[in-house]
Amino acid sequence: DIQMTQSPSSLSASVGDRVTITCQASQDISNYLNWYQQKPGKAPKLLIYDASNLETGVPSRFSGSGSGTDFTFTISSLQPEDIATYYCQQYDNLPTFGGGTKVEIK
Amino acid sequence: QLQLQESGPGLVKPSETLSLTCTVSGGSISSSSYYWGWIRQPPGKGLEWIGSIYYSGSTYYNPSLKSRVTISVDTSKNQFSLKLSSVTAADTAVYYCARHVRRAKEVFDYWGQGTLVTVSS
Repeated sequence: DIQMTQSPSSLSASVGDRVTITCQASQDISNYLNWYQQKPGKAPKLLIYDASNLETGVPSRFSGSGSGTDFTFTISSLQPEDIATYYCQQYDNLPTFGGGTKVEIK
Repeated sequence: QLQLQESGPGLVKPSETLSLTCTVSGGSISSSSYYWGWIRQPPGKGLEWIGSIYYSGSTYYNPSLKSRVTISVDTSKNQFSLKLSSVTAADTAVYYCARHVRRAKEVFDYWGQGTLVTVSS
């Protein structure tokens, strides 16, 4: 199984801050990496696919980068509505998710 | 707009079989472009993919659950279903159904709202 390690597990930032989350794969997964946002009590929502491609309708303050084993998800200017838990998901082999990063407002 | 809706018992006894159905509306489950998947989330924890099915009935499962999981499809009802046998408290989770794109990119792009299944006597 490919393991996905996300960090940090939680963070607190101010509105307008730049927020960065990392995801590390246990082996090379090329760019087969997606990012999801999950708000409390809701289903996850796809934000980024293939490591860096923004899903249609997703605000441009969200971005992703990386390839191989190391990936980064960035919110360029944190907004109150971005409070959520963010998950990475690889699909090089069978789909697996990272442990999640809970983003809170300071 | 594609919509998915999970349905099934919210309480299952230990050692019994959990059964859920996902009804798809606003699109055909028989589309050649998509698989249809189940993902679960224990309370306060992360996401775990359970398995996915193609409209033809072709399936693939998470190896950690494979011995207990059966996913089936009913194209006439535009539904797919999950059965998880011999459940324990560790199977208590919110269960989501989702459309699983597996062409050009591989993502879960439409999700149901989720349904909480509690395993308890």
